[in-house]
Amino acid sequence: DGGITQSPKYLFRKEGQNVTLSCEQNLNHDAMYWYRQDPGQGLRLIYYSQIVNDFQKGDIAEGYSVSREKKESFPLTVTSAQKNPTAFYLCATQPRSAYNEQFFGPGTRLTVL
Amino acid sequence: QKEVEQNSGPLSVPEGAIASLNCTYSDRVSQSFFWYRQYSGKSPELIMSIYSNGDKEDGRFTAQLNKASQYVSLLIRDSQPSDSATYLCAVRSYNTDKLIFGTGTRLQVFP
Repeated sequence: DGGITQSPKYLFRKEGQNVTLSCEQNLNHDAMYWYRQDPGQGLRLIYYSQIVNDFQKGDIAEGYSVSREKKESFPLTVTSAQKNPTAFYLCATQPRSAYNEQFFGPGTRLTVL
Repeated sequence: QKEVEQNSGPLSVPEGAIASLNCTYSDRVSQSFFWYRQYSGKSPELIMSIYSNGDKEDGRFTAQLNKASQYVSLLIRDSQPSDSATYLCAVRSYNTDKLIFGTGTRLQVFP
C-alpha cells in the first residue's frame, strides 16, 4: 500500500505543549514539504527538505521545527513558541523529475485547547 | 499584491454546464502551473498540470495557460455535483522548488 501517511488525523494540544506531527512516505520521493492551511487562506509553506539531513525554512517557520533523518520521514514539531497553532497541517512529497508535481498526504488537524 | 489570485466564489453552475475557474499570478518567470481539487475537510488532490502556453485536456478537464497575460484557467465540462469542491491554483517560479498557492475558488454544482 503506497502513499503518504500522516498521523494523527486529529490532535489536541494544551497551551505550552510541544507536539510532533508525523509524515511518512514510501513513494521514494526526494523532496518533502510541510504546509499549514487556515480557513479562507491558501496553503502556506512552513519547512521543506530536498535531501536527507538538509531542510530549509519556508514562509512561516517561526515556532516550528523539523528533521529529515530518513528519506521516508519528515516529522514536524509545533513548539510552544507558535502562538496560533490551530490549523490543518499538510505534508507533501515531490519526486525528482522535470515536472515537479507535489502530492499531499491526508493531513492532521491540530486544535489548541 | 498577492502572488497568486483567485476569486473565492462560490461559483455556482448547473449540472451539465461548463465551469470556468480563473487564476492570475504576478511573477513573470513562473514556469509550472497546477490545479488541485480539495473537498471539504480533505487534503488537496492534483488534477491538472500545465507548463506551456495553450490548452491541455484530460477527460472533462481542460487547463489553459497564457503566460503573456499571466493567467491560467481550468474548465470543467459536463459539471457534476461530485465536482463541488474548492479548486486551488498553484504556481512555481523558475529555479525554485516552492509552490505558491492561491486561496482557492469554491465551486458548487447544483442538480
